[in-house]
Amino acid sequence: EADIYQTPRYLVIGTGKKITLECSQTMGHDKMYWYQQDPGMELHLIHYSYGVNSTEKGDLSSESTVSRIRTEHFPLTLESARPSHTSQYLCASSDGSGRNTGELFFGEGSRLTVL
Amino acid sequence: GENVEQHPSTLSVQEGDSAVIKCTYSDSASNYFPWYKQELGKGPQLIIDIRSNVGEKKDQRIAVTLNKTAKHFSLHITETQPEDSAVYFCAASKGVYGGATNKLIFGTGTLLAVQP
Repeated sequence: EADIYQTPRYLVIGTGKKITLECSQTMGHDKMYWYQQDPGMELHLIHYSYGVNSTEKGDLSSESTVSRIRTEHFPLTLESARPSHTSQYLCASSDGSGRNTGELFFGEGSRLTVL
Repeated sequence: GENVEQHPSTLSVQEGDSAVIKCTYSDSASNYFPWYKQELGKGPQLIIDIRSNVGEKKDQRIAVTLNKTAKHFSLHITETQPEDSAVYFCAASKGVYGGATNKLIFGTGTLLAVQP
């Protein structure tokens, strides 16, 4: 069972609001990721981090931002939400050490709806 | 960059039948190919993976085959059960041999429905 948690699971907000999606893992993993999953099922990497104070943009351009101040915490922020941001956001982590098996551990997701 | 194509997008089978999902990749340097299963309301979970130094791997009712020459790999599920119903994703990455960088490129997903 993966020890990676996302909050909130569901969020409905109005346009223009600032939101932060929380992601925490207790496995001590160096690498963390945010994926956006559209209704067509596809997974798009929007941000990743290989360690504290390291963040990179993913393959899909996103207006969101992330931070990695602590190993276990990788929050995603939208300064001004818009209806086009409505989606499912999945956080994941993996072991960056020599024991790395290549496995990504996913949280259960945060479903965001912007009205 | 790497591109992973996955087919079919939806698959319906009768309980007990076999299911096959196929993926092709574009970058011949890719050497790690995992499969993830996503149940309704949950995040994807790794079910099996294969590295480029082997052609086939099996774990109970699931198996994965890899053809490096043709750059395609497939997931085979035998004796399907209703609990196999989920979305399945293939993925590929160019990892360090024996490990992986984990910057995975995912396929577009296959919705598998197993009819009782």
